[in-house]
Amino acid sequence: NAGVTQTPKFQVLKTGQSMTLQCAQDMNHEYMSWYRQDPGMGLRLIHYSVGAGITDQGEVPNGYNVSRSTTEDFPLRLLSAAPSQTSVYFCASSYTSGADYEQYFGPGTRLTVT
Amino acid sequence: GQQVMQIPQYQHVQEGEDFTTYCNSSTTLSNIQWYKQRPGGHPVFLIQLVKSGEVKKQKRLTFQFGEAKKNSSLHITATQTTDVGTYFCIRGGGYQKVTFGTGTKLQVIP
Repeated sequence: NAGVTQTPKFQVLKTGQSMTLQCAQDMNHEYMSWYRQDPGMGLRLIHYSVGAGITDQGEVPNGYNVSRSTTEDFPLRLLSAAPSQTSVYFCASSYTSGADYEQYFGPGTRLTVT
Repeated sequence: GQQVMQIPQYQHVQEGEDFTTYCNSSTTLSNIQWYKQRPGGHPVFLIQLVKSGEVKKQKRLTFQFGEAKKNSSLHITATQTTDVGTYFCIRGGGYQKVTFGTGTKLQVIP
């Protein structure tokens, strides 16, 4: 299993540009989520999904869109990049049922907006 | 809100000293998980606690879940330089959104 993969690893955007951060998992996990981590800070939840076709907002959803058309993929779209969105973005996935809710994280995407 | 607070925010210890971080919630938790994030890395799962008063051990690490299921602790005995990183507790899981505690950054001085 590849686990959780994220692309790209690094990205530089100009203010106002849009882009999509990709996240995929091959563990058949129902739950997927996106976090951002600013320097020296904790992880803040942007959006999450408990299954294909179902998404919901987290703590900091403004400026980001998500969709979940398949179990495997959960892309994060930045609509119009702003310097305040400079951060490291992590995608995570887990099961929704059973006793084990371990979150599996991708390696992260380091985004700089100039 | 349903924020989970962790204390302390930072901790510097001499190698060989013990370390404890605490996680506190204003509401009852169905479960709590602990993660470690090394500098430049991603969070890695350590353990999940579910039962009131539960205690679990992993080598030098001891995890506790409070009787009221509103707090938890992670204790490291005799720290090593490999313990350096930020330790997070998280709440949620299953169909509940997963949110992170504020984290405790551990520095170990050799």
